[in-house]
Parts: sequence; C-alpha cells; structure tokens
Amino acid sequence: DAKTTQPTSMDCAEGRAANLPCNHSTISGNEYVYWYRQIHSQGPQYIIHGLKNNETNEMASLIITEDRKSSTLILPHATLRDTAVYYCIVRVTSGTYKYIFGTGTRLKVLA
Amino acid sequence: SQTIHQWPATLVQPVGSPLSLECTVEGTSNPNLYWYRQAAGRGLQLLFYSVGIGQISSEVPQNLSASRPQDRQFILSSKKLLLSDSGFYLCASSGSSYNEQFFGPGTRLTVL
Repeated sequence: DAKTTQPTSMDCAEGRAANLPCNHSTISGNEYVYWYRQIHSQGPQYIIHGLKNNETNEMASLIITEDRKSSTLILPHATLRDTAVYYCIVRVTSGTYKYIFGTGTRLKVLA
Repeated sequence: SQTIHQWPATLVQPVGSPLSLECTVEGTSNPNLYWYRQAAGRGLQLLFYSVGIGQISSEVPQNLSASRPQDRQFILSSKKLLLSDSGFYLCASSGSSYNEQFFGPGTRLTVL
C-alpha cells in the first residue's frame, strides 16, 4: 500500500502557482519524499525530492513540514504543459530499493 | 543522465500466448532496475525489482516473471497471457537506493 495520501484532482489557472499537497503521516526518519509527474501515455518524470529541508530546482519547490508528516509541491507559474498526474512517494524502508506509487493527483491547468 | 529503452511501444497479443518485453539502460552501470504496470486510469504497480544480475524480487504474485541476464538488461516474460495482463508496462532504472528513478517510454500491451 502507498504510504501517501493525495487529492484525486486539482485545477489551476495558467500562470498561477499550483500547490499540490501530500500527507505522509507515517514517514520514518530516514525516508525521503519524492515527487514525479506523468503526462498522458508517457513514463513518469522525476521532479524533486527532499528529506526535511525545503528544496527548490528549476521545475518546482518542495515544502516539507517540520514534523515531516506532510509536504507541498509548488509549481510557481503553471503552464498548460504542466497538466499531468503528480505522484508523491515515500521510500518504503531503508535497505530496500522500492518506490511505491499511489494514485496521484490529476492536475489540470486551465487557460 | 540515464536513458531507458523499451520495445515494442505497443503490442496486441491473444490470450494464452507468451510475452517477452525487453528493457535496456544506457548511461550508468550497476543500476537498480524495476518493472511497473499501470492499468488504464490507475496508478503504477511495482511488479519486480532487481539490484544486480540474476537478482529478482517479486512484489505481487502473478502470471509474470522477470530476468536480468546482463547488468543493463531487464526482461519481463509470461508463458501464457491473461486478459488481466493488459496494461502499460514501464521499466525504470536508478543509480542507487536513494537516487531518483528514470523511466522508459513504456509498452502498451493489449491482451485479447
């Protein structure tokens, strides 16, 4: 079972910030939070990951709460090409190599 | 970065026929390799992962098997396909346990 909970779908106006939440209340101290997105009929694409500090790269920002039980992916200026399913993933346990994908959030960017 | 090759892109097979999907990886050595399946409108289900040649871990009991004959080659097989084997099959690779995964373009399998 996935260790994360995400809303099923969200809409965002083009040019506005898209804030995608994720709950991971059972996360362990050595587990990272990863975000991927999947555009229709393509393989998922890595976006960003973090452990406990906020992270930013050219695609997005990741805000992790101090208790690490939730996080938010921020797309600062959403475009139509950002329409996709966004997956929040927590590594299952250390010492294994598995990523368990949930059902994700279907983000629709509206013109 | 890594490049993942998968073929074929689409495949239509009759029930009871065998299956062999191949995945090869460029741009890294000793990768961890993964097979996922995605049913229509659903999330990704991890089927198999491998940390080295000949080492396969299965996540769910099913009609499929995997093999890793070479460091950067991962094969998904079935002796007899079922209707429920239809889906979008994705191969992924990561450089180590904490690195991000790179995904291939996928194979869309339809079993009729």
